[in-house]
Amino acid sequence: GAVVSQHPSWVICKSGTSVKIECRSLDFQATTMFWYRQFPKQSLMLMATSNEGSKATYEQGVEKDKFLINHASLTLSTLTVTSAHPEDSSFYICSARFSSQETQYFGPGTRLLVL
Amino acid sequence: SQQGEEDPQALSIQEGENATMNCSYKTSINNLQWYRQNSGRGLVHLILIRSNEREKHSGRLRVTLDTSKKSSSLLITASRAADTASYFCATDIWGYGGSQGNLIFGKGTKLSVKP
Repeated sequence: GAVVSQHPSWVICKSGTSVKIECRSLDFQATTMFWYRQFPKQSLMLMATSNEGSKATYEQGVEKDKFLINHASLTLSTLTVTSAHPEDSSFYICSARFSSQETQYFGPGTRLLVL
Repeated sequence: SQQGEEDPQALSIQEGENATMNCSYKTSINNLQWYRQNSGRGLVHLILIRSNEREKHSGRLRVTLDTSKKSSSLLITASRAADTASYFCATDIWGYGGSQGNLIFGKGTKLSVKP
């Protein structure tokens, strides 16, 4: 099956710094990538949808200036958490799909801890 | 916003028993998908059932869909300790022009299978 990787798998940073998370589709071209956030013992909440070469569409309540998404190529999307605060500590998961396929392939997630 | 609601929230059974998890949703869907998540890990796609399908099988998994009741169930037969995980339903809802393409996740059922 299709493989999606995320890097880093975990990161600890100081409050006020920025953190970049990469999401890569390894063996297929991902026309659409999705970014989710999952707080402990909770479900996944969609943050934004990004299509290659265009601006990301953010869900209500997600600050686009704080969570910068770049989908520069068909195999790479990045999420940058700017000026991170402790409340941004969470598990960030990306997924990718090709064209209009129904199945999304999920990455292994990135655990972010902001001190 | 969350669309799916799973029940029970937690389920504990003995190895060899069957496990049934239910999911209800609110709006019209294109398809409904079930995912599995081991603690602190990414999501694994289990099965997808389309809105015009009523039942689907995959190995020890059986999924049903009742669009009139806006509900789905996931049955795991002959459970194993390795099935211990959280299980989420996710709906791919209809939007203008067809599937919106993003998934709305339920809160999940935490399954514990005791050896």
